Amino acid sequence: AQSVTQLGSHVSVSEGALVLLRCNYSSSVPPYLFWYVQYPNQGLQLLLKYTSAATLVKGINGFEAEFKKSETSFHLTKPSAHMSDAAEYFCAVSRANTGNQFYFGTGTSLTVIP
Amino acid sequence: EPEVTQTPSHQVTQMGQEVILRCVPISNHLYFYWYRQILGQKVEFLVSFYNNEISEKSEIFDDQFSVERPDGSNFTLKIRSTKLEDSAMYFCASSPDPYEQYFGPGTRLTVT
Repeated sequence: AQSVTQLGSHVSVSEGALVLLRCNYSSSVPPYLFWYVQYPNQGLQLLLKYTSAATLVKGINGFEAEFKKSETSFHLTKPSAHMSDAAEYFCAVSRANTGNQFYFGTGTSLTVIP
Repeated sequence: EPEVTQTPSHQVTQMGQEVILRCVPISNHLYFYWYRQILGQKVEFLVSFYNNEISEKSEIFDDQFSVERPDGSNFTLKIRSTKLEDSAMYFCASSPDPYEQYFGPGTRLTVT
């Protein structure tokens, strides 16, 4: 079975500070992993994905994530937070080679303090 | 850039009524999905659709739910007799392959 756990439902950082959003996954088969961002009253926008190629994945808006199999983690980072990064962030996992349904975490709300 | 679109953005209905939520997937995509997000909870998978048939569905997707691709461009979710607990944000997604999904902005369904 596949699942993800996002530690911290709310994270606050100062503008210019490091952003770290945590995601741990559970999967009985090799996983594909994703980070999505949701701005108020909008849909889910794909930030980045891991599909068994490079373990360090770079996404849009300066975000990146590293797949660590030994830690079953896929944490999202950004070196310097911007006010426009304030949003809800969701980690998701699917089964490699079969795709189909995504299993989402409960989300982390990021607040950026000026 | 192509986007998934959904209509309406907000639907209010009375308990027991039928609702149809509409989605227009990205035109060259082959896989289609519906998810829902009850307020304050995680996004949950409902159903996936490929080659004009359901390929996977969750326990939530019971006999009250159905999906259809009536005309090659729209993808609809029908709830036959809505219940209060069906109130949620419903997201449509589409994909060119099984590994990446593009989501629409969602339809907020309120059942009174």
